[in-house]
Amino acid sequence: DQQVKQNSPSLSVQEGRISILNCDYTNSMFDYFLWYKKYPAEGPTFLISISSIKDKNEDGRFTVFLNKSAKHLSLHIVPSQPGDSAVYFCAAAAGGTSYGKLTFGQGTILTVHP
Amino acid sequence: DVKVTQSSRYLVKRTGEKVFLECVQDMDHENMFWYRQDPGLGLRLIYFSYDVKMKEKGDIPEGYSVSREKKERFSLILESASTNQTSMYLCASSLDRALVQAFFGQGTRLTVV
Repeated sequence: DQQVKQNSPSLSVQEGRISILNCDYTNSMFDYFLWYKKYPAEGPTFLISISSIKDKNEDGRFTVFLNKSAKHLSLHIVPSQPGDSAVYFCAAAAGGTSYGKLTFGQGTILTVHP
Repeated sequence: DVKVTQSSRYLVKRTGEKVFLECVQDMDHENMFWYRQDPGLGLRLIYFSYDVKMKEKGDIPEGYSVSREKKERFSLILESASTNQTSMYLCASSLDRALVQAFFGQGTRLTVV
């Protein structure tokens, strides 16, 4: 049972435009959400996170939005750059005894064209 | 900077072999994790450890075991490698229970033939 879903396997965007990556979750115990970026032949690197007490978190060109009622989060990249081309994973964690265990989505391949 | 190092980038093993994947972190993190990444499935948790000599099963532990004799080192063991264990294996660590941001190693691409 996939508790974190990224329903778009890929996204193609023109340089300078906005990229919007989406993620849905089913487990209402999740209270912390993260986005990771992964280049081929490298490990994922942390990008941005959001706690369930917030609905928005911004870091430079990257903004994450959380809609708890819809169990949906999205990552906005503005403006998109060719170097943003990578696989993006959303991940979720539950507090308490989770020991920081992350549950990941399937990933979305973002391609930014010059 | 946190460094998580996996011993091999690429490995080719034969079916039935016992395989050891090693991971070392240098930031005194309590938690360590082993994930595998497969196309269309994302990252799936195999095992994790929140302390030395402690281990917990993740979502797909079958066919794997782990060892954590020292805080900085977490080993994944494939008891008898099979072709369906061909995958990218990723080790990660995080500071403690309160901090969920995990730092990943560069990954080991394992091919079982």
